[in-house]
Amino acid sequence: TQLLEQSPQFLSIQEGENLTVYCNSSSVFSSLQWYRQEPGEGPVLLVTVVTGGEVKKLKRLTFQFGDARKDSSLHITAAQPGDTGLYLCAREFSGGYNKLIFGAGTRLAVHP
Amino acid sequence: NAGVTQTPKFQVLKTGQSMTLQCAQDMNHNSMYWYRQDPGMGLRLIYYSASEGTTDKGEVPNGYNVSRLNKREFSLRLESAAPSQTSVYFCASSEISRSGEQFFGPGTRLTVL
Repeated sequence: TQLLEQSPQFLSIQEGENLTVYCNSSSVFSSLQWYRQEPGEGPVLLVTVVTGGEVKKLKRLTFQFGDARKDSSLHITAAQPGDTGLYLCAREFSGGYNKLIFGAGTRLAVHP
Repeated sequence: NAGVTQTPKFQVLKTGQSMTLQCAQDMNHNSMYWYRQDPGMGLRLIYYSASEGTTDKGEVPNGYNVSRLNKREFSLRLESAAPSQTSVYFCASSEISRSGEQFFGPGTRLTVL
């Protein structure tokens, strides 16, 4: 199966807390993308990870790709209300052409 | 530079009515995509167009047709709308690359009564 499972489904935290969200699959994927979607808008790419064990940082966001390339995580340090949104992971369908299959997402709410 | 634009932003249809969702991109991308997003299910690929003049089915194509009018425009048509097609529809475009980044429009919220 090419399904992507994301956890947790919902997360509600206070400003300043740290959090980690996860994206898992039973099959290996060549690369994984993380998107953030704000209400009423389309998803926007945050990062693409392509190498097993890779770690990428984007300000307070740290993305990790598992060594076996079956899982990934997103860690946010000192969350801020501006981090509120739906976080989606996505991998490419077999057959190329950048067709994506998405996880169901983690909906994050950061309260002041 | 508008990126990906979609019209309309909202639409309400009655069961059996037809409509076309419009999408245009100004980034000179070869590939374009239509997704639907339902609560708790993420985005699912309906149809895609790898390049001008080609279209192909995605994960959930039943009940939809598409037209790649030119390199910029990719439309999605519902011939006979059903309540199960109530959803938010997103158009996206990309270049084929290792990063695979897709650029999304703002979406069309469709309700079928």
